[in-house]
Amino acid sequence: EAGVTQFPSHSVIEKGQTVTLRCDPISGHDNLYWYRRVMGKEIKFLLHFVKESKQDESGMPNNRFLAERTGGTYSTLKVQPAELEDSGVYFCASQPTGGPYEQYFGPGTRLTVT
Amino acid sequence: AQKITQTQPGMFVQEKEAVTLDCTYDTSDPSYGLFWYKQPSSGEMIFLIYQGSYDQQNATEGRYSLNFQKARKSANLVISASQLGDSAMYFCAMREEGFSGGYNKLIFGAGTRLAVHP
Repeated sequence: EAGVTQFPSHSVIEKGQTVTLRCDPISGHDNLYWYRRVMGKEIKFLLHFVKESKQDESGMPNNRFLAERTGGTYSTLKVQPAELEDSGVYFCASQPTGGPYEQYFGPGTRLTVT
Repeated sequence: AQKITQTQPGMFVQEKEAVTLDCTYDTSDPSYGLFWYKQPSSGEMIFLIYQGSYDQQNATEGRYSLNFQKARKSANLVISASQLGDSAMYFCAMREEGFSGGYNKLIFGAGTRLAVHP
């Protein structure tokens, strides 16, 4: 079974540009989460999808961040326009409904905004 | 507010010895779960062990065990017989029951970097 995949693994963009991160969860996992870790700080929750619906988006920092989950499969997280403080590692995790509580994490996307 | 505290930014241990990584938590929710994840230098987050708040026994997974002391609100990770490959960042995390049953966001601690010396 393939794990959670994320693309790209690393992105370097200039302030003001747009970046789209992609996450492909484990097949059949209804729950999809986005987290990020900015330098030197804790990993913080961004939002949670159940299938294609946003269950909890309380962690989204501002309206420059837009997440979608097309057809309840893969998800994208767009940052537009990017700011310096958006630099960090963005993790995606998926979790089956009705199964164990552990969330399966992807390898992360390291975003650097210069 | 829910919070996870890991007070050890860095730890080191000799190969083959046991090590305990500390984690304390704070929540007012009677139903919650506690996790430990390992993040090696390659960056991926690897699930290690889970303890539910109502579980009567401490969780164990191979060389990993979770020393769950509910009254003290602590959930320390014990790694027995450390190996060089255990060198990594270790994160303690908590989920809340909330309105979505068990399918909720995780709250993470700051992490502890473990170095295993030969």
